[in-house]
Parts: sequence; C-alpha cells; structure tokens
Amino acid sequence: AQKITQTQPGMFVQEKEAVTLDCTYDTSDPSYGLFWYKQPSSGEMIFLIYQGSYDQQNATEGRYSLNFQKARKSANLVISASQLGDSAMYFCAMRDAGISNFGNEKLTFGTGTRLTIIP
Amino acid sequence: DSGVTQTPKHLITATGQRVTLRCSPRSGDLSVYWYQQSLDQGLQFLIQYYNGEERAKGNILERFSAQQFPDLHSELNLSSLELGDSALYFCASSVGGSSSYEQYFGPGTRLTVT
Repeated sequence: AQKITQTQPGMFVQEKEAVTLDCTYDTSDPSYGLFWYKQPSSGEMIFLIYQGSYDQQNATEGRYSLNFQKARKSANLVISASQLGDSAMYFCAMRDAGISNFGNEKLTFGTGTRLTIIP
Repeated sequence: DSGVTQTPKHLITATGQRVTLRCSPRSGDLSVYWYQQSLDQGLQFLIQYYNGEERAKGNILERFSAQQFPDLHSELNLSSLELGDSALYFCASSVGGSSSYEQYFGPGTRLTVT
C-alpha cells in the first residue's frame, strides 16, 4: 500500500531564508507521481509542483523545487527566498497509477507541515 | 482560481439529514475526484469518476454516493449524516487517463453537522 510520511508537523522560518519540507514515500509500483500542494488558511488546495518517477531531472516551478532522491524514496520541497505569503499547510501526495492501477489516479496525502514565515 | 467550482461553499445541517455537494470540473477535464479533509482522518480519497463512469473507490461510507453526469459535473450525496461527517469536502479534476498528472482542486465545501 502507498504511504506518505511528513515528519515535520510545524516549522518556523525567517523571511527570505530557504526552507526544506520533508517527504518520504513508500510504494511497490515502479511508476508513480509525487505532488506538493499548499493550503493557506482560507482552505483551498493549491497545486505547486509535480515529479514523475521516471523524470531524470528534479522538478522546478519558480521558487519551488523538488529534491527527488529515488533510492531514498524522498521528495522534499524546497522553497527559496521565503515570503510571508508562504505561511500555510503544505501537503505531499503520491499518485500510484502504474499498470496494476490503470485509471486509478487517486492521491494519497501525508499529514502535512504547517509552515510559518517570521518577518 | 483553479477552474474547478464547488457549491455550496458552506453547509450547516442536522444529524440524520441528507445533503448534496456539487462540483464542476475544469473545462476539458474528464476525471473528477472527491476528497474529505477532517481533523481526525486528514485528507482522504473518497471516489473517482472518469467520463461518467466510476473508476476508483476509496474510504467512502455506504451512506455516501456520487455520480458524474453527461456534462461532466459531479455530485456527492451524503445521507443519514452524523457529527463525524463534519469536514471539508474537496472536488478535484484532471484530464484523466494514465497520461494525466496534475489534479486541480476546487475551493471545497465546508460541511458542519450539528
């Protein structure tokens, strides 16, 4: 069964510093995708970044990058030059849609990390 | 704005009642997913529809049911509501099929059962 582990319930980071949010995963399927979502206090879920299991390079989207270490089964989110607006809950999620699960694209989420940026 | 719409935004109802949550996916997306976010269980997948057909089921209670209509909008029906059903219910959509990646979430419906 798939499992996502986020071991940091909360983090406090000074504004303009970089921050790394940890995520480890477990799956027996060779084909999978990893996602990060941001949930501000308003409640919506905002897609940030995606990494496929066969992607050769780490994904980047603006200030967000994903540090993908396949052998260690980790997919940490790095936010560079943090801003006050980055304060939110961050969820790591995995989609396991290999041959055995064709068409089943459900996301399995971790428990989240609450990030607070300090001015 | 993700392009996924959900109505209503808030819903307050009593135990034993039945409610319907509605979702319209992004234009062109064929897959719709329902998720429940509660303090106890975190974010959990409930059910997926693809082009009108049920594709996958997660931890969805028998009191809950869903469907996707020909125009691709979806409804989640919750019946015999209990206090523990209070949660934020998200709908998400994606292009669907094995080649799709991102799921875009709607703003959610916050259900309070009193």
